[in-house]
Amino acid sequence: TQLLEQSPQFLSIQEGENLTVYCNSSSVFSSLQWYRQEPGEGPVLLVTVVTGGEVKKLKRLTFQFGDARKDSSLHITAAQPGDTGLYLCAGGYGGSQGNLIFGKGTKLSVKP
Amino acid sequence: EPEVTQTPSHQVTQMGQEVILRCVPISNHLYFYWYRQILGQKVEFLVSFYNNEISEKSEIFDDQFSVERPDGSNFTLKIRSTKLEDSAMYFCASSGSRVGNTQYFGPGTRLTVL
Repeated sequence: TQLLEQSPQFLSIQEGENLTVYCNSSSVFSSLQWYRQEPGEGPVLLVTVVTGGEVKKLKRLTFQFGDARKDSSLHITAAQPGDTGLYLCAGGYGGSQGNLIFGKGTKLSVKP
Repeated sequence: EPEVTQTPSHQVTQMGQEVILRCVPISNHLYFYWYRQILGQKVEFLVSFYNNEISEKSEIFDDQFSVERPDGSNFTLKIRSTKLEDSAMYFCASSGSRVGNTQYFGPGTRLTVL
């Protein structure tokens, strides 16, 4: 069974703090995507990483794909209440296998 | 910015009834997907569709499910005889390329089976 483990499951921090959430697997992925999901809504794409060791920045968010393409991290600098939400990672195998494998997510709460 | 749309946003049905969930993928995308998310659980893959045929399906996608692209814009998921355990959010996604496999998701249809 292919699994993506996300940690921590829950994270509650104060506005202005930094945080890192992790996405780990024993499988190698051809790509890894991070999404943010609000209650009752669909996942909204944040970033796709495809190269081992790749780092992408999106304003205060920094995404890294592990060298072996089995893990990824999301770092948020100076978190704001607007960052509150569920962060999902999803791994893709590419080729003929087009489906994504999702983790359970990290539920982030940023208190003002 | 182009987006995936889904209708209806909420569907309530009686057990044993047929439902059709509709999606309009991003217009120049070629790869289409259905996923579901049972309340409190993770997003699960159901089926992928390319070139007018199913390219991959999960164990969840049994004979009661079917997909169709009836015209150049719509992509549908049909559940023939709904069960209580089919209650979930159903998400449509589309992708323009296998490279990177970036998938864009719609807002979902909440299916409630009574």
